[in-house]
Amino acid sequence: SYELTQPPSVSVSPGQTARITCSGDALPKHYAYWYQQKPGQAPVLVIYKDSERPSGIPERFSGSRSGTTGTLTISGVQAEDEADYHCQSGDSSGTWVFGGGTKLTVL
Amino acid sequence: EVQLLESGGVLVQRGGSLRLSCAASGFTFRTYAMSWVRQAPGTGLEWVSTIGGKSRSAYYADSVKGRFTISRDNSKNTLFLQMNSLRADDTARYFCARNRGDGFDSWGQGSVVTVSS
Repeated sequence: SYELTQPPSVSVSPGQTARITCSGDALPKHYAYWYQQKPGQAPVLVIYKDSERPSGIPERFSGSRSGTTGTLTISGVQAEDEADYHCQSGDSSGTWVFGGGTKLTVL
Repeated sequence: EVQLLESGGVLVQRGGSLRLSCAASGFTFRTYAMSWVRQAPGTGLEWVSTIGGKSRSAYYADSVKGRFTISRDNSKNTLFLQMNSLRADDTARYFCARNRGDGFDSWGQGSVVTVSS
């Protein structure tokens, strides 16, 4: 198995851009996925296959991947975006791994 | 509307066993792989196990391999997780999630398992 590393916390002011990174040696070969989780709630998929956005997810959420790092970008952050964000990736053996999660604080 | 409802979480002694269930509705259950993901208090998500739609394949995290068994009953639209030899570090909220092939696109609210030491 392998690991995905995220920063424990990111803080931004409303209207600014938040970038949350996810690093892992397997990312050059496998997609990154991103989940938003608010306190007491189940996770919600916000980005799949590096940069695709599920229906119903606001356009301000975007994703990218370069080398060993995937990035979730939230443009024009709103107060309602304050949450924990988790990255995920899989491998060809059928297993999955999550990063440690990043707490986004909207100042 | 996709709905996933977990049940079976309780307080259990270390070394004990427990079976979690996840009742699915609102989609053709047998055509989707399903997974269990857990979250210990105050920590991140940890993938536990995944099973294919026809139960031909099952995968486990190293932390539970040999102790947990994932299964499903497609006739009852239900996913299971049999948990044996429970340890204190198995204490967590256990979520079931639908695998769409490109992410886990639907999640239940979870069932809490507490292992007393």
